[in-house]
Amino acid sequence: QPQLQESGPGLVKPSETLSLTCTVSGGSISSSTYHWGWIRQPPGKGLEWIVTIYYSGSTYYNPSLKSRVTISIDTSKNQFSLRLSSVTAADTAVYYCAQYKTATASFDYWGQGTLVTVSS
Amino acid sequence: QSALTQPASVSGSPGQSITISCTGTSSGVGYFNLVSWYQQHPGKAPKVILYEGIKRPSDVSNRFSGSKSGNTASLTISGLQAEDEADYYCCSYTSSSTWVFGGGTKLTVL
Repeated sequence: QPQLQESGPGLVKPSETLSLTCTVSGGSISSSTYHWGWIRQPPGKGLEWIVTIYYSGSTYYNPSLKSRVTISIDTSKNQFSLRLSSVTAADTAVYYCAQYKTATASFDYWGQGTLVTVSS
Repeated sequence: QSALTQPASVSGSPGQSITISCTGTSSGVGYFNLVSWYQQHPGKAPKVILYEGIKRPSDVSNRFSGSKSGNTASLTISGLQAEDEADYYCCSYTSSSTWVFGGGTKLTVL
């Protein structure tokens, strides 16, 4: 079964860009069976879907975040990455990367999550 | 897009059954049979417990079941156990090729 691990700075200044990478092990990010996504959870609040990408590069964005989000996939490193620009305190959250299994239409494996705090 | 609507909290005693509702729109929950449910214990990542509204992964207890009526999906947990105390989230794929989560429901086992 795959393992996903988020990495990136835990502290980002307001107006700057948040950058996170998800490394997938135990499975191929190039598999046609899966999409790959980012989901976040502000402290004490619910889950919010951010973006999903397919290995071919097809991407799907949360409309409320689309203008600030960039997602990319590096099949050679078995990684995919998230960039969120012009961050504010409202972007403080635990960010999860997850595998989306198309056959079951569910996020079936998740990373442990990484807390990103936006503060000066 | 607006979050799916879930009750903020539900509670039940051990052995009892509870149901959590998840209301969306005709372009999401009501259009597709693509609702998934997630269980999240404090400090942990979410875990899928139902997919396609009613199907269970092989490692999930058959005490968890799902249903759908119109724009509302439901999760039922029967024979409540202390370990079921957690937050539960529904998620739906939509006709706009996006995903939307519910606001989450805190389950307390009394």
